[in-house]
Amino acid sequence: TQLLEQSPQFLSIQEGENLTVYCNSSSVFSSLQWYRQEPGEGPVLLVTVVTGGEVKKLKRLTFQFGDARKDSSLHITAAQPGDTGLYLCAGVGSGGSNYKLTFGKGTLLTVNP
Amino acid sequence: KAGVTQTPRYLIKTRGQQVTLSCSPISGHRSVSWYQQTPGQGLQFLFEYFSETQRNKGNFPGRFSGRQFSNSRSEMNVSTLELGDSALYLCASTLGRIVDTQYFGPGTRLTVL
Repeated sequence: TQLLEQSPQFLSIQEGENLTVYCNSSSVFSSLQWYRQEPGEGPVLLVTVVTGGEVKKLKRLTFQFGDARKDSSLHITAAQPGDTGLYLCAGVGSGGSNYKLTFGKGTLLTVNP
Repeated sequence: KAGVTQTPRYLIKTRGQQVTLSCSPISGHRSVSWYQQTPGQGLQFLFEYFSETQRNKGNFPGRFSGRQFSNSRSEMNVSTLELGDSALYLCASTLGRIVDTQYFGPGTRLTVL
C-alpha cells in the first residue's frame, strides 16, 4: 500500500511570512499532484510534477519533486490571507493512472492578516 | 462549462439506513471517481467508473457500491450505514484518459446519527 505523509498537519502564520509544506513517502510515484481545498468545496489542482528533481513555480508558490520521486515540497513566499486552505498532495501510481490517487491527509494553512 | 455537481449537498441519516448520492460530471467527461474524506483518514479512493463499467476499486467494504449511467452521471450507494460512514463524499470527473486532470465536485456531507 502506498502512503503519503504530509507535514505539518496544521500551520498558522502571519501575512507576509514564508512557509514550506512537505509530502513524503517510501514509495515511488510516477507523478505527484498538489491540490488546495477551501471550505465547502472540492480540491482544486494546483500543479503536477512529473520528473525527479523538477521545480515548478506558480506565482508565489514553488513546488519541487524529489530526485527519487518519493517526496515533494510546496513553498509559499510572502503568504497572504487568500492562501488559507487545506493543501493536499496526491501521488499517481506507477501505472500512471490519474483516476486512482493516493492522498496525504493534508496541511491546514491559516494566514492571519 | 458547468463544473461537477453533486446532490444532495448535505444529508443526515441514522444507523442501519441506506443512502444514495449523485454526481453529474463535466459535459463530455466519461470517467467518474468517488472519494471519502474524513479528518482521520483524509481522502480515500472508493471506486472509478468509465463508460458504465467499474474500472478500479479501493479498499472499502461491499456496503459501498456505485454505478454509472449512459450519460456518464454516477451514483454511489451505502447500505446499512454505520457511524463511521459520516464523511464528505467527493466525486471527480475526467475525460477518461489516464493522464487527464481530475475535476472535483463540492461534495456531499453525510452525517450518520
